[in-house]
Amino acid sequence: AQSVTQLDSQVPVFEEAPVELRCNYSSSVSVYLFWYVQYPNQGLQLLLKYLSGSTLVESINGFEAEFNKSQTSFHLRKPSVHISDTAEYFCAVSDTGTASKLTFGTGTRLQVTL
Amino acid sequence: DGGITQSPKYLFRKEGQNVTLSCEQNLNHDAMYWYRQDPGQGLRLIYYSQIVNDFQKGDIAEGYSVSREKKESFPLTVTSAQKNPTAFYLCASSPSRPGRNNYGYTFGSGTRLTVV
Repeated sequence: AQSVTQLDSQVPVFEEAPVELRCNYSSSVSVYLFWYVQYPNQGLQLLLKYLSGSTLVESINGFEAEFNKSQTSFHLRKPSVHISDTAEYFCAVSDTGTASKLTFGTGTRLQVTL
Repeated sequence: DGGITQSPKYLFRKEGQNVTLSCEQNLNHDAMYWYRQDPGQGLRLIYYSQIVNDFQKGDIAEGYSVSREKKESFPLTVTSAQKNPTAFYLCASSPSRPGRNNYGYTFGSGTRLTVV
């Protein structure tokens, strides 16, 4: 079984500042990793995913995440945030064997202010 | 456009009543899921189904029931046995044989259930 830990429940940051949202996972097998974003009263949208290959993955809106197997981490970063990035961010993991059910973290609320 | 439709967006229920939340997808996905979301607790899996006419309990199935009579539909019934049903409910689907370009869940926009 897998588990995901998002230590920061809330991250306040000023606009144009860099941000890092932390995600650590636990698994005894190979994993796939995901970041989802949720805007208020909406469903979750896939932001980026790591399946294999390059450990650095990027989204179309400037976010990136790096898979670090030795530290079992998949932290999400953005060099300069915008007000519109204010949302809840969820890290998720699945094992490569079943390749179906995702296990989600408890989420990190990113609050961007002027 | 392909996607998942959840209805209604808001639902009010009196104590002791059963209510059914609708989830329909036209993505041709085999697997479908129901999650409950409460503040500070992330997403908790209620039920999931990987094929028509078959479904499995998730982590918090007590007080809920589902059916999967059609590939496109996976309705969730919140029964009167559910002690604290007020929450945001999310439905999702995924392909059963994911490939590099189609891996991951697609989510509906959610139903907010309030017990009055």
